[in-house]
Amino acid sequence: QQQVKQSPQSLIVQKGGISIINCAYENTAFDYFPWYQQFPGKGPALLIAIRPDVSEKKEGRFTISFNKSAKQFSLHIMDSQPGDSATYFCAASSGNTPLVFGKGTRLSVIA
Amino acid sequence: KAGVTQTPRYLIKTRGQQVTLSCSPISGHRSVSWYQQTPGQGLQFLFEYFSETQRNKGNFPGRFSGRQFSNSRSEMNVSTLELGDSALYLCASKETSGTDTQYFGPGTRLTVL
Repeated sequence: QQQVKQSPQSLIVQKGGISIINCAYENTAFDYFPWYQQFPGKGPALLIAIRPDVSEKKEGRFTISFNKSAKQFSLHIMDSQPGDSATYFCAASSGNTPLVFGKGTRLSVIA
Repeated sequence: KAGVTQTPRYLIKTRGQQVTLSCSPISGHRSVSWYQQTPGQGLQFLFEYFSETQRNKGNFPGRFSGRQFSNSRSEMNVSTLELGDSALYLCASKETSGTDTQYFGPGTRLTVL
């Protein structure tokens, strides 16, 4: 049973455009929602994370939007750059439970 | 601080063999988790160790096992390797067993022939 559904699987965005990746979860006990970025040959690296007490969190060009009632959260990358080309994973967890990851989105930013 | 380190980075084994992978967490981190990453299944949780005790276990067969030492270093072992065990095995560490930031190592690429 996949507890976190991520879409799209792949995304191509023009340089300077906005990249949007969406995730939906089922377990209402989840209270921690991180996004990870992974480059080829590297392990995932934490990009930004949010907890359900806020609806939005922004760090530089990266913003998480969180909709608790819809059980959805999304990552927005503003002014997308070729260096942002990577695979992005959303995840969720609660308390001492392990992170449950979405299947990933491969982002390609083209000039 | 040095990041999470994993050794070896690459391994080639044949079916039926066993393999041991090693992970050194960030200094001060007491929780170590292991994940299997494959193109089809994505990142799947194997197990978590905290202060030498297994805290959580994923849905993997008993051929997959792990342990943690008193210095927080961890090893995972896969016995009787199958072709489907070919994957990137990632180790991640964090300070506590709660919802802290989890830091991943570069992974060990295991190929089973």
